[in-house]
Amino acid sequence: DVKVTQSSRYLVKRTGEKVFLECVQDMDHENMFWYRQDPGLGLRLIYFSYDVKMKEKGDIPEGYSVSREKKERFSLILESASTNQTSMYLCASCFRSGNTIYFGEGSWLTVV
Amino acid sequence: KQEVTQIPAALSVPEGENLVLNCSFTDSAIYNLQWFRQDPGKGLTSLLLIQSSQREQTSGRLNASLDKSSGRSTLYIAASQPGDSATYLCAVSGGGNKLTFGTGTQLKVEL
Repeated sequence: DVKVTQSSRYLVKRTGEKVFLECVQDMDHENMFWYRQDPGLGLRLIYFSYDVKMKEKGDIPEGYSVSREKKERFSLILESASTNQTSMYLCASCFRSGNTIYFGEGSWLTVV
Repeated sequence: KQEVTQIPAALSVPEGENLVLNCSFTDSAIYNLQWFRQDPGKGLTSLLLIQSSQREQTSGRLNASLDKSSGRSTLYIAASQPGDSATYLCAVSGGGNKLTFGTGTQLKVEL
């Protein structure tokens, strides 16, 4: 079974803090994604990566950056957390474009 | 810009009933469509993936159909069970890595 692991399930951070969300997949997938999910807005793509050190902006990249130094790991970075970044963050991966996409369990981030 | 709509937003049915969930999309130039299940507070689990050249896919009690020309997909759940209670989301891919999600249908199957 494909496993996408998000290291932190629940985080509480203060405004202005730098926040790292880590994601690891164990199936040698090329593509990895970060989404956020908010009530009434659905899932929105923040960034995705199609190879090591490669990244592309999604629909809402402002306030976020990403890092993919190894194929299995994709990190989402909030440079200076703000209260409007309180959300559920979902990491996902797939082998190639058009293949089944697999999600992690999600990370609940609260910024106070 | 692709838009995906799922109606109804919530649905409650008695156990054992067959049911249909709907998904519509505005741009028929899709690469594939996926149906997902999400339990409260959890991530998404992929249920079925339909390529644009396919008309339907089946997995157990689930059957998903795709009508690209009309911009519609349905997820049919046979003999529903309380364990089927969850939010069901559809997502369309226009090629590349971009998925557009609907906001989901929250299903409750009652004893």
